[in-house]
Amino acid sequence: DAGITQSPRHKVTETGTPVTLRCHQTENHRYMYWYRQDPGHGLRLIHYSYGVKDTDKGEVSDGYSVSRSKTEDFLLTLESATSSQTSVYFCAISDFEGKLFFGSGTQLSVL
Amino acid sequence: DAKTTQPNSMESNEEEPVHLPCNHSTISGTDYIHWYRQLPSQGPEYVIHGLTSNVNNRMASLAIAEDRKSSTLILHRATLRDAAVYYCILRDPREGGNQFYFGTGTSLTVIP
Repeated sequence: DAGITQSPRHKVTETGTPVTLRCHQTENHRYMYWYRQDPGHGLRLIHYSYGVKDTDKGEVSDGYSVSRSKTEDFLLTLESATSSQTSVYFCAISDFEGKLFFGSGTQLSVL
Repeated sequence: DAKTTQPNSMESNEEEPVHLPCNHSTISGTDYIHWYRQLPSQGPEYVIHGLTSNVNNRMASLAIAEDRKSSTLILHRATLRDAAVYYCILRDPREGGNQFYFGTGTSLTVIP
């Protein structure tokens, strides 16, 4: 793995509770991304960041917020989790050549 | 955003070459063509990328059509470890264009 750590690896939570997923990189890359992966939909971009405090929406951003207070950390928050947000979440970073490197993923179950 | 079209699934016999096609008829002049693959229960991994010329690396070859409206990922000798979902995506490296949009990819089955 290209210095990307996601935590937690697995989480089970209840509908309506807040959830924060963390992505940590040791590569000092500018761009970071959050994706979700669901059967039949492939990988879909939720939010991405192009620097500290600089973030933008992806194609499925509703119900999610992100924050990046340090280069190495990119947080994804579900303010009030819903069952439709049960998914596998992947964090990725982009190097200077534009190649993406992914973390190992977080399996989130919202009951 | 320029989109790509790939077959949902393909099969190949072990030790034979595999040609995975991708159509991207709305590609712009600054879009790079990237290929990633995702093994079961893992995050996607980078395979290869190119702009206009064909590219080779230790994992695969990328053949890009002269009009750039299609490309083909070539695995020279398929192994069982190549069974994965392969994604073809376009990336525009210009400032503000660093989003990567994945589709559903091609699921490759390798038959022993």
